[in-house]
Amino acid sequence: GQQLNQSPQSMFIQEGEDVSMNCTSSSIFNTWLWYKQDPGEGPVLLIALYKAGELTSNGRLTAQFGITRKDSFLNISASIPSDVGIYFCAGQLRTSYDKVIFGPGTSLSVIP
Amino acid sequence: DVKVTQSSRYLVKRTGEKVFLECVQDMDHENMFWYRQDPGLGLRLIYFSYDVKMKEKGDIPEGYSVSREKKERFSLILESASTNQTSMYLCASTSGGPGGGYTFGSGTRLTVV
Repeated sequence: GQQLNQSPQSMFIQEGEDVSMNCTSSSIFNTWLWYKQDPGEGPVLLIALYKAGELTSNGRLTAQFGITRKDSFLNISASIPSDVGIYFCAGQLRTSYDKVIFGPGTSLSVIP
Repeated sequence: DVKVTQSSRYLVKRTGEKVFLECVQDMDHENMFWYRQDPGLGLRLIYFSYDVKMKEKGDIPEGYSVSREKKERFSLILESASTNQTSMYLCASTSGGPGGGYTFGSGTRLTVV
């Protein structure tokens, strides 16, 4: 079946640093989604991308839909302690009744 | 804002018990999903439903069943709980159509002893 790979698996960074993470797939997706899960909570949608090459920002977060449609990237600038959590990428196909395929997640820890 | 509510945040059940996890959404969404989340394994789809009384198996349906008698409510049932079903369970819903993404509940952390 379809699988997504996320890297890195985990990150420990200093407050104020920028963060980059990516997501790759062997399949093409028409939509890429990035979610954040705070400890003990459900994932919350951060950014949705709908077109190859699209670059979208949400505050300090910027995500890109890869040209090949098989990858996506998320950057966080000037990290703060509340950025701690697990970041999931997800791909969605138009023809799959909206079934979303999730990556395994990147765990981010921010050291004050 | 869409709200997806899971009835319990924490549950402790005994091996062999029948367990019901309830999920309710308040935005008239057609599609609802149950996932379990385990460290290192990410989110794994158990069951999903696109309509009332309709259900489809996800990637790991063994040991689980579901019920969708009303559009807003999607229940996950563990017929006979086992210790390997100790996990975080997440419910999600979406209105349908491409690119909508999911709205998740806060999760139920189930421990089977």
